[in-house]
Amino acid sequence: DTEVTQTPKHLVMGMTNKKSLKCEQHMGHRAMYWYKQKAKKPPELMFVYSYEKLSINESVPSRFSPECPNSSLLNLHLHALQPEDSALYLCASSSGLALEQFFGPGTRLTVL
Amino acid sequence: GESVGLHLPTLSVQEGDNSIINCAYSNSASDYFIWYKQESGKGPQFIIDIRSNMDKRQGQRVTVLLNKTVKHLSLQIAATQPGDSAVYFCAENKSGGSNYKLTFGKGTLLTVNP
Repeated sequence: DTEVTQTPKHLVMGMTNKKSLKCEQHMGHRAMYWYKQKAKKPPELMFVYSYEKLSINESVPSRFSPECPNSSLLNLHLHALQPEDSALYLCASSSGLALEQFFGPGTRLTVL
Repeated sequence: GESVGLHLPTLSVQEGDNSIINCAYSNSASDYFIWYKQESGKGPQFIIDIRSNMDKRQGQRVTVLLNKTVKHLSLQIAATQPGDSAVYFCAENKSGGSNYKLTFGKGTLLTVNP
């Protein structure tokens, strides 16, 4: 298995909702990432997990809460989001430092 | 040509021509570079990478050139096909320590005309 999977593909939520995005990889990668991508812009790094521990938080608002239950799974818990948080949320993984990151297809999030 | 601000730089080529996509990177300490292709509605897909101890690397129909003196990276696509139409991002990383951070360039939209 050489892919990163993400669910759901699309998500519409209200500003008072709580939802979660899920990411899974079975490549044995020990680094996993969340990115946010707005239309016509490059991906922006949000969080990095290394060996299931949070390694980088790029000053992301607390309404986004990452979780890494095990080495294959990465979640992003969402609560009290704003319409400007609407974007494509990408998950990626890599086998180590400064190596290629494999991206999932993303979750298209719309906040009403 | 190129434009700045909210617009993606764009490159339009005819099918069968060679394409060259350019990228200027910012960090002179960066020592690992990747090119990604992103088709509409999909996540970025790895194309080719290069480390700073090299100045050229070739893949299937693609070549990456690295000029560290002027901090410039280019992706050459030979015999461009309609399926190559996508946004292309370069990304840089400073390896070593605990830095897993890839910094992406703003992207170039490649359109291949049949």
